[in-house]
Amino acid sequence: DQQVKQNSPSLSVQEGRISILNCDYTNSMFDYFLWYKKYPAEGPTFLISISSIKDKNEDGRFTVFLNKSAKHLSLHIVPSQPGDSAVYFCAASAGSNFGNEKLTFGTGTRLTIIP
Amino acid sequence: DAGITQSPRHKVTETGTPVTLRCHQTENHRYMYWYRQDPGHGLRLIHYSYGVKDTDKGEVSDGYSVSRSKTEDFLLTLESATSSQTSVYFCAISGSSGGYEQYFGPGTRLTVT
Repeated sequence: DQQVKQNSPSLSVQEGRISILNCDYTNSMFDYFLWYKKYPAEGPTFLISISSIKDKNEDGRFTVFLNKSAKHLSLHIVPSQPGDSAVYFCAASAGSNFGNEKLTFGTGTRLTIIP
Repeated sequence: DAGITQSPRHKVTETGTPVTLRCHQTENHRYMYWYRQDPGHGLRLIHYSYGVKDTDKGEVSDGYSVSRSKTEDFLLTLESATSSQTSVYFCAISGSSGGYEQYFGPGTRLTVT
C-alpha cells in the first residue's frame, strides 16, 4: 500500500516557466513533509520541508504548499532553470520524536526543463 | 554536504554469496538508515539504527541484516544475495538539524547475477 503517491512519473516544463510537482498521501498521522532532489548517480539531496502546522513554506525559487484536508502537497519552482532537471521525491514523517523518524517516500517525478 | 561515504560504490556479485556494504559518517549523527531505490518504488527503508548496537527493521528487511558497532559505521549485509536484491543502496543520517531531514550518501550500485 503506497502511503505517499506521486502520480506523475515525468513532467516537462519550458525554462523560465513554473514547475509544479504534486504529491498525495493517505496516512493522517503524517505531520511533516519533505522534498528531495536527485541527480543521476548521486544521492538524494534535501530541498525543502513543511510542518503540518503550516500551509506554505518558501525558500528562494522553491515553495511547498500543504493542503491537509485534501492530503495533498505540491512543490512550485519559479522560474524553472535547466539545473532543476532531476528526479524529485516527496517524503512524509509520522513521528514526534526528534531525529529518529522514518520517512516514507513517493516513487518520484522526473522533471525535465526544456531550454 | 554531510560527511557520508559508502563503499563500495559499485559491486557485481553472484547469487548466493554474502555481500556487505559499508556506510561511514563523520558527522557524529545518532541515526543512520539504509534504503534501496528501485524503478517504480522510490526509496524504501531496509533497516535503521538509533544508536550503537540499536537497530530496527524497515519496510523491506527480509534477506538483510545490519550492524552498528561504532557511531560512525553502519553495515548492511545481504546474507545470501539474490537477483531481486539488484538495486541501488543509499545510506542516510539524521539527528542534528532540528528537523526530520535525512542526508544521503552517494549510493552503492549492486548487481547480483
